[in-house]
Amino acid sequence: DMKVTQMPRYLIKRMGENVLLECGQDMSHETMYWYRQDPGLGLQLIYISYDVDSNSEGDIPKGYRVSRKKREHFSLILDSAKTNQTSVYFCASSRQDTEVFFGKGTRLTVV
Amino acid sequence: GDSVTQTEGPVTVSESESLIINCTYSATSIAYPNLFWYVRYPGEGLQLLLKVITAGQKGSSRGFEATYNKETTSFHLQKASVQESDSAVYYCALGGTGGYKVVFGSGTRLLVSP
Repeated sequence: DMKVTQMPRYLIKRMGENVLLECGQDMSHETMYWYRQDPGLGLQLIYISYDVDSNSEGDIPKGYRVSRKKREHFSLILDSAKTNQTSVYFCASSRQDTEVFFGKGTRLTVV
Repeated sequence: GDSVTQTEGPVTVSESESLIINCTYSATSIAYPNLFWYVRYPGEGLQLLLKVITAGQKGSSRGFEATYNKETTSFHLQKASVQESDSAVYYCALGGTGGYKVVFGSGTRLLVSP
């Protein structure tokens, strides 16, 4: 079953706390992504990973970092969360230029 | 840079009426872009609806179709007769070969009324 799994689905954190969003995929895809979606802005790419320990900044990397130690896992970390990081975060994976598979999203609220 | 512009939503259509969601793209760094339509149903992640990788070709799925028009740099999504179950958010996207990142439009929310 081809799947991208995100955990948790919903998360509420206080400003200044650390946040860890986890993502897994079972398709052995080389490329994985983290996006955030805000109303009216569509999907904004935070980071892209081309394979283990091969990560590149996307369009809005500030305030985020990522970790990819295994091909099937890609984590997004917010060190000291800010209220403007309240958003829906999507993880995705793909093989080269083929179809991108998305997780169901994590709704993060920073209060 | 590369970008995608699509119809701003929400778009409200009555069941059995026709639909068009406009999408235009700019691919300054991709010589031969691939074009996609993704759909996100409530509570779900985005899923691929259709894709076209060759200019001039048409893609179709679930009654939706889109034609890759290189001259007008457009990839409009159309359906002749929508159903209430088509209510979702639709994203136009472009990508390239070699692991190039996919660029998404801002999404168009479609509401189909019974």
